[in-house]
Amino acid sequence: DIQMTQSPSSLSAGIGDRVSFTCQASQDAVIHVNWYQHKPGKAPKLMIYDASNLEEGVPPRFSGSGSGTHFTFTISGLQPEDLATYYCQQYSRLPLSFGGGTKVEMK
Amino acid sequence: QVHLLQSGSEVKKPGASVKVSCKASGYPFTGYYMEWVRQAPGQGLEYMGRINPYSGDTNFAQKFQGRLSLSTDESTNTAYMRLNSLTSDDTAVYFCARWHHVSRPHYFDYWGQGTLVTVSS
Repeated sequence: DIQMTQSPSSLSAGIGDRVSFTCQASQDAVIHVNWYQHKPGKAPKLMIYDASNLEEGVPPRFSGSGSGTHFTFTISGLQPEDLATYYCQQYSRLPLSFGGGTKVEMK
Repeated sequence: QVHLLQSGSEVKKPGASVKVSCKASGYPFTGYYMEWVRQAPGQGLEYMGRINPYSGDTNFAQKFQGRLSLSTDESTNTAYMRLNSLTSDDTAVYFCARWHHVSRPHYFDYWGQGTLVTVSS
């Protein structure tokens, strides 16, 4: 199974800050990585697909990059509504797998 | 509209089994993989496995091999997840989710409301 190691597990930032966190895959040649935003009591929401593609309707302050084994998710200008836990998820190989999550909190 | 309705909360003793159902509506049931994900208290999302309702083919995370079984009933558009040999570590909210793969992007697009399974002696 591909393990997705996400870091940090949590971070605190202020409104307007640029925040980034990463996901490291345990195997090379991972191409298909999605990023989800998850708020309590709600279904996870797709933000970025295939590492760097912005899902329709998602604000452009969200972005993703990376390939191979290293992937990065960035919020350029943190907003209060962005407080959530974010998960990477790979589907390059079965079984699918999630990263451990990064909880974004307000400083 | 697409809807995934899961069965209610369960309390089980260690060593027992649990079976959670997920009734799908609003789309062709056999056209999409059904996935199962769980979230333990204070923890992240953990992928468990998937079933192809058309073929019955399954794929499981290594952690659950031998202890997890997935099935579907096409006549009622219902997917089932059965987890055996429960321990307290299996206390979690269990979700079914549809995997969208017909067109890009490929992702979990609809989720059930979650089923709390509590394992306690």
